[in-house]
Amino acid sequence: QQQVKQSPQSLIVQKGGISIINCAYENTAFDYFPWYQQFPGKGPALLIAIRPDVSEKKEGRFTISFNKSAKQFSLHIMDSQPGDSATYFCAASMIGNFGNEKLTFGTGTRLTIIP
Amino acid sequence: DAGVIQSPRHEVTEMGQEVTLRCKPISGHDYLFWYRQTMMRGLELLIYFNNNVPIDDSGMPEDRFSAKMPNASFSTLKIQPSEPRDSAVYFCASTPGHLYGYTFGSGTRLTVV
Repeated sequence: QQQVKQSPQSLIVQKGGISIINCAYENTAFDYFPWYQQFPGKGPALLIAIRPDVSEKKEGRFTISFNKSAKQFSLHIMDSQPGDSATYFCAASMIGNFGNEKLTFGTGTRLTIIP
Repeated sequence: DAGVIQSPRHEVTEMGQEVTLRCKPISGHDYLFWYRQTMMRGLELLIYFNNNVPIDDSGMPEDRFSAKMPNASFSTLKIQPSEPRDSAVYFCASTPGHLYGYTFGSGTRLTVV
């Protein structure tokens, strides 16, 4: 129930195209859904996050779409650029007693943007 | 703000040796996490602290691993004795709390030969 399933494992998109990464979860108690971006040799960095009371959040070219009934959320990168080439992780967490405040990460998607 | 600081950046050690990884969280962040990243297992949470107290160490692989947080600005992850299968990138992360996201350090790449 703590798992977050992420797909695809890898993704190749042409420059200027839309990159879409999907995640699904089981635990309805999750209430915070961030996305992290990781470049080689670096730690993951928070990219954008959403709470389940909204269906979409947009920051620049990055958008999270959230479907509470389907227990799914996705990251859309519009006008994808070579500099977006990185590994992306979805994650989920819930507030509660100590022991339930840790993030559960997806398995990651390696995104490559080709010219 | 210098972010989360980890040292060393790279560590190469022989099997059986003791390894100590260090982390300085962001000032004011009450939570500190240790993660391990490998190609096979992805990001694994090893242990986390709240206000210097270990809260959940269920991810620590075995007794060879130990972690301490003697004060709010310093934490260590120790492996004794080290084994080749411990080779991975170890990340430290901190956060002021739920809904704020984590700030990760740059990691320590550990190679045990």
